[in-house]
Amino acid sequence: GIQVEQSPPDLILQEGANSTLRCNFSDSVNNLQWFHQNPWGQLINLFYIPSGTKQNGRLSATTVATERYSLLYISSSQTTDSGVYFCAVTTGGSQGNLIFGKGTKLSVKP
Amino acid sequence: DGGITQSPKYLFRKEGQNVTLSCEQNLNHDAMYWYRQDPGQGLRLIYYSQIVNDFQKGDIAEGYSVSREKKESFPLTVTSAQKNPTAFYLCASSGRAAGANTEAFFGQGTRLTVV
Repeated sequence: GIQVEQSPPDLILQEGANSTLRCNFSDSVNNLQWFHQNPWGQLINLFYIPSGTKQNGRLSATTVATERYSLLYISSSQTTDSGVYFCAVTTGGSQGNLIFGKGTKLSVKP
Repeated sequence: DGGITQSPKYLFRKEGQNVTLSCEQNLNHDAMYWYRQDPGQGLRLIYYSQIVNDFQKGDIAEGYSVSREKKESFPLTVTSAQKNPTAFYLCASSGRAAGANTEAFFGQGTRLTVV
């Protein structure tokens, strides 16, 4: 089946810094989502982005489907950005089921 | 508010006991899913349902059972056959796989501990 790889696995930033998280996938996808898992475990939807670029405040995402990767940009990071960021995809064979990467754990220090 | 509600938030299970986790959605979504998350890991699919009265096994279905009698509800039973049930369980819903928008949304999760 499809492989979803996220990098880096861990990231430590000083408050105010910018960062880029990457998601590579091994096959073509129908859809791609980015999530933020907060300290209480809830998955917060960040972007639904099978292709193209979207922005929401300090966060933006780009998916280049033909090259099989997606990037999540966080600018002017804040301590509340800490948590785990997951990339998840659906494929033609997954029947709508999300296939998750292992996540990037982000720690933003004050 | 529209969304997905999971209950309870915390659940303790004794050895040999079956427990049922509730998941309700009012998003009018056809598809619903159950995932399991172990510490420091990603999410793995347990069961999914694309339509009422139909469901399929995911990657780690052994020791679990589900039902889908109503569009809004997709309860998960963790049976005594599940040897290592301690984990964080997340329920999700989305539009149909063949639909135009299949963005998935998650509930707040149930943390299950075997005592």
